[in-house]
Amino acid sequence: EVQLVESGGGLVQPGGSLRISCVASGFTFSSSWLTWVRQAPGKGLEWVANIRQDGSEIYYVDSVKGRFAISRDNAKNSLYLQMNSLRVEDTAVYYCARSRGYYDFWGQGTLVTVSS
Amino acid sequence: ETVLTQSPGTLSLSPGERATLSCRASQSVSSSYLAWYQQKPGQAPRLLIYGASSRATGIPDRFSGSGSGTDFTLTISRLEPEDFAVYYCHQYGSSPRTFGPGTKVDIK
Repeated sequence: EVQLVESGGGLVQPGGSLRISCVASGFTFSSSWLTWVRQAPGKGLEWVANIRQDGSEIYYVDSVKGRFAISRDNAKNSLYLQMNSLRVEDTAVYYCARSRGYYDFWGQGTLVTVSS
Repeated sequence: ETVLTQSPGTLSLSPGERATLSCRASQSVSSSYLAWYQQKPGQAPRLLIYGASSRATGIPDRFSGSGSGTDFTLTISRLEPEDFAVYYCHQYGSSPRTFGPGTKVDIK
């Protein structure tokens, strides 16, 4: 059974930092593109970042470029999102997902709240 | 950026009825790289359709996708009680990947 489990969300002040994680099982992690997608409260879905199998290609949505960094550790079947200079508008549930272009498996999400 | 527009915003139907959801792209979606997801309250999205018309594993055949270029459709042939949810289209043919704003299918 494929599972993706996010963790590390919480409350952070504007300008602060947070790292969220996603641990995967049930598929060949090292052979898969991975992605982060977020959803602000009551809003739609927004793609945030993608990372290639070996980490050699990385892409971000413009609104997080220079502030967020996606990374992975294939030995630990883990995906990360380091979020710096957080803004109120970054408040959202963050989902990790396996990417085949489309996203076929999703985690349950972790809530990041940016507020003073 | 490819902007996706979904219509209607809300679709009020009864169980057993047919649902037709539209997704229109601001430019042609290359190779029909268009997916549909279902999301229920408090849950993660679930992949229904990819490649515009291919059903994901385990998805009932009452769900079907069609279209190409800039116009795509998700059809639910006969609504079951568990189908009342929000549906999003998603293009993955160009960067940045984008989602439509969603269509809510609720019980009439």
